[in-house]
Amino acid sequence: SAVISQKPSRDICQRGTSLTIQCQVDSQVTMMFWYRQQPGQSLTLIATANQGSEATYESGFVIDKFPISRPNLTFSTLTVSNMSPEDSSIYLCSVLGGYNEQFFGPGTRLTVL
Amino acid sequence: KQEVTQIPAALSVPEGENLVLNCSFTDSAIYNLQWFRQDPGKGLTSLLLIQSSQREQTSGRLNASLDKSSGRSTLYIAASQPGDSATYLCAVRTYDMRFGAGTRLTVKP
Repeated sequence: SAVISQKPSRDICQRGTSLTIQCQVDSQVTMMFWYRQQPGQSLTLIATANQGSEATYESGFVIDKFPISRPNLTFSTLTVSNMSPEDSSIYLCSVLGGYNEQFFGPGTRLTVL
Repeated sequence: KQEVTQIPAALSVPEGENLVLNCSFTDSAIYNLQWFRQDPGKGLTSLLLIQSSQREQTSGRLNASLDKSSGRSTLYIAASQPGDSATYLCAVRTYDMRFGAGTRLTVKP
């Protein structure tokens, strides 16, 4: 299994500002994923981040709003840019382990005022 | 496009009861199916992973079954406890992973 940590665990931000979320994995992984979970909803995939290549974004998500970095095989960041109250969500980092089992970090709970 | 449905959306049971959570999916060409637990405001904890070639997996009081041909999976929880209270999510992997909306379980002491 993979152990994933995220920073910050929660934050309250003002409209128009940006927040960068960090994801650290205890082992080297090829594929990392970023998800959003809006209040009362299930998970929505934002993008897939492979080391050494540009992130692949899902429909409805763009790089200008959610820039992602993947500098090595154990770390990634997601930035939520120019935030609005609609960005208030839990943001989750995830990796694919052995046997295609997916593991998730503890999440970052973001509130935008 | 794969669609995943979980029934019921919410369930409240007294402590000690055995219960079944249901998950259905529309595309039977899956690689695997995974059950997760999510506590309020937290991340997802993987409970059970069933590969497409398997029929069931067991971990402690949890048993998950998979019937690919009918597009169904069930999560059986034996002798439920208040600590089992959480949202249970089913996720199906084809070329990507699709999540159900979850079943919110409350186990009352």
